Amino acid sequence: QVQLVESGGGVVQPGRSLRLSCAASGFTFSNYGIHWVRQAPGKGLEWVAFIWFDGSNKYYRDSVKGRFTISRDNSKNTLYLQMNSLRVEDTAIYYCAKDPAGGYTGGWLDPWGQGTLVTVSS
Amino acid sequence: QSALTQPASVSGSPGQSITISCTGTTSDIGSYNLVSWYQQHPGKVPKLIIYDGTKRPPGISNRFSGSKSGNTASLTISGLQAEDEAHYSCCSYAGGGTYVFGTGTKVTVL
Repeated sequence: QVQLVESGGGVVQPGRSLRLSCAASGFTFSNYGIHWVRQAPGKGLEWVAFIWFDGSNKYYRDSVKGRFTISRDNSKNTLYLQMNSLRVEDTAIYYCAKDPAGGYTGGWLDPWGQGTLVTVSS
Repeated sequence: QSALTQPASVSGSPGQSITISCTGTTSDIGSYNLVSWYQQHPGKVPKLIIYDGTKRPPGISNRFSGSKSGNTASLTISGLQAEDEAHYSCCSYAGGGTYVFGTGTKVTVL
């Protein structure tokens, strides 16, 4: 079955960097776009970034542009989120989620991984 | 990229129907038929229950239905059951490859 497994979360100081990974299995990873979504403790879901099936196009929410980079390695069936200049307000559970399309977005996110917690604190 | 507006909480008795609204703008809900809804139980992963505004994925109860009018999307849960107690979030495509989620609604079964 389709499975997404995030890793790489942890506690980091403000201004530092962290790289998250999302390992995919159960489907042809190189055919689909993938999203990152986050959820701060006790708060709602917040879309973070999206990458096309081939990595040729990437999109970000305004608050992370210039700080976060989404990328993928289709040979390893793995998605990444490089997070630089981290802020306290980036503290959240980060989920990766599959798009039903490869390029132009399919319009929904399914399934989701179990998430990885990132805590930005001094 | 302002969040879509949802009521913070909605409640109902078992068997009743409730409706959760999701209000956006002409830049998101009003421009695209790409609204999805997610159910999230405490400590669990979000689960897709409605996509393309009105469609249900396989395995999702027909007690869940979606609709849209103008800049507002809605999720209706009919025949409310105890297991429906959860958080519900709407999501819309917002153009330029970006998405926006709603503020989230806690559903309580009385």
